[in-house]
Amino acid sequence: EAQVTQNPRYLITVTGKKLTVTCSQNMNHEYMSWYRQDPGLGLRQIYYSMNVEVTDKGDVPEGYKVSRKEKRNFPLILESPSPNQTSLYFCASSQNGGGPNEQFFGPGTRLTVL
Amino acid sequence: AQKVTQAQTEISVVEKEDVTLDCVYETRDTTYYLFWYKQPPSGELVFLIRRNSFDEQNEISGRYSWNFQKSTSSFNFTITASQVVDSAVYFCALSEGSYNTDKLIFGTGTRLQVFP
Repeated sequence: EAQVTQNPRYLITVTGKKLTVTCSQNMNHEYMSWYRQDPGLGLRQIYYSMNVEVTDKGDVPEGYKVSRKEKRNFPLILESPSPNQTSLYFCASSQNGGGPNEQFFGPGTRLTVL
Repeated sequence: AQKVTQAQTEISVVEKEDVTLDCVYETRDTTYYLFWYKQPPSGELVFLIRRNSFDEQNEISGRYSWNFQKSTSSFNFTITASQVVDSAVYFCALSEGSYNTDKLIFGTGTRLQVFP
């Protein structure tokens, strides 16, 4: 089944404790990105990757890191989480070419930083 | 600058009513794409439709229909004969084709509640 998976689905942590949210897709998509969803703000892009070893900042990249060492994986790293990073996070992937395509979203990771 | 506005924060209807969700966008690009996503209470994001800026034909898919009007920069979504299962948050999104990325600019969403 074609899908985007994220782990963990729920995470409660404390300020400053490094964490990684994993994202993996099995559709051989080139484009992957991370969004955060906050009440009243919709979804905002954090980082994106056009292909392996190619990443760039989205609209709200502060406090986050990403890497793209393999085509299927695009982990989101919070080196020193803070309470304002409490949010619902979505990973997405799509096939490049022909204009912006349908993005397939993961199930979401709800993060709480105390 | 690109922007998507969904002015309706929340809409409540009774089953079988028709409901229209509004979406107004701003962009300076002549090539762009518009999307609608549904987020049911379970939280996942479900793709509904993609429309490019050169195709102003309205689209119908079952009880769903979309009205794209470039003159008013709107891409409205209508559910006919709503059902309880339509209860969800609906997001309109814009992607500008000229930057060769799939970045989506989302509106703030409209929460639709359909009561039996």
